[in-house]
Amino acid sequence: KNQVEQSPQSLIILEGKNCTLQCNYTVSPFSNLRWYKQDTGRGPVSLTIMTFSENTKSNGRYTATLDADTKQSSLHITASQLSDSASYICVVSDSGYSTLTFGKGTMLLVSP
Amino acid sequence: DAGVTQSPTHLIKTRGQQVTLRCSPKSGHDTVSWYQQALGQGPQFIFQYYEEEERQRGNFPDRFSGHQFPNYSSELNVNALLLGDSALYLCASSLAGGNEFFGPGTRLTVL
Repeated sequence: KNQVEQSPQSLIILEGKNCTLQCNYTVSPFSNLRWYKQDTGRGPVSLTIMTFSENTKSNGRYTATLDADTKQSSLHITASQLSDSASYICVVSDSGYSTLTFGKGTMLLVSP
Repeated sequence: DAGVTQSPTHLIKTRGQQVTLRCSPKSGHDTVSWYQQALGQGPQFIFQYYEEEERQRGNFPDRFSGHQFPNYSSELNVNALLLGDSALYLCASSLAGGNEFFGPGTRLTVL
């Protein structure tokens, strides 16, 4: 069964600090891995998308890494801002039809 | 260029009723997927429509049905509503299975 596990479940950090979120998956065959940011009650917004051959991808203060051998990914947020407070969801695609398996997300709260 | 739009934004129904949710995909996209997201959970795949046909389906009962129109817009219908159907329903569009763009969602509350 395809699964995506994220850790930690929730995280509180001070504004300006860095943090790293983790994602482990057991999705096969692997197509790509995505990180989404979801504000409460809103639709997810794509941050990064990585294929098998990509090890790292950045989008501003967000940097995602992928280790396809160990089936692990991380999302690093630098110099956090209050607006970074949201749920961060790891999503893995297992086919060309864009069938997605979602993690439950990590709820990040950036405190002033 | 409008992104993915959904209507209505919020909806309140009672048990046993039927509901229809609507989605307009991002311009140029031909594939629409629907997801159910319960509070505190990740989205769960309901089904995907391509060329007006249901191409894939997740683990949802037949009470959940859909339709895609020639202009690629889509509807999600849920019959015989249960309390457990209360959730955020997300629509996502893509072009030929590429990167999906999500709409803002419809918040359904079943009383």
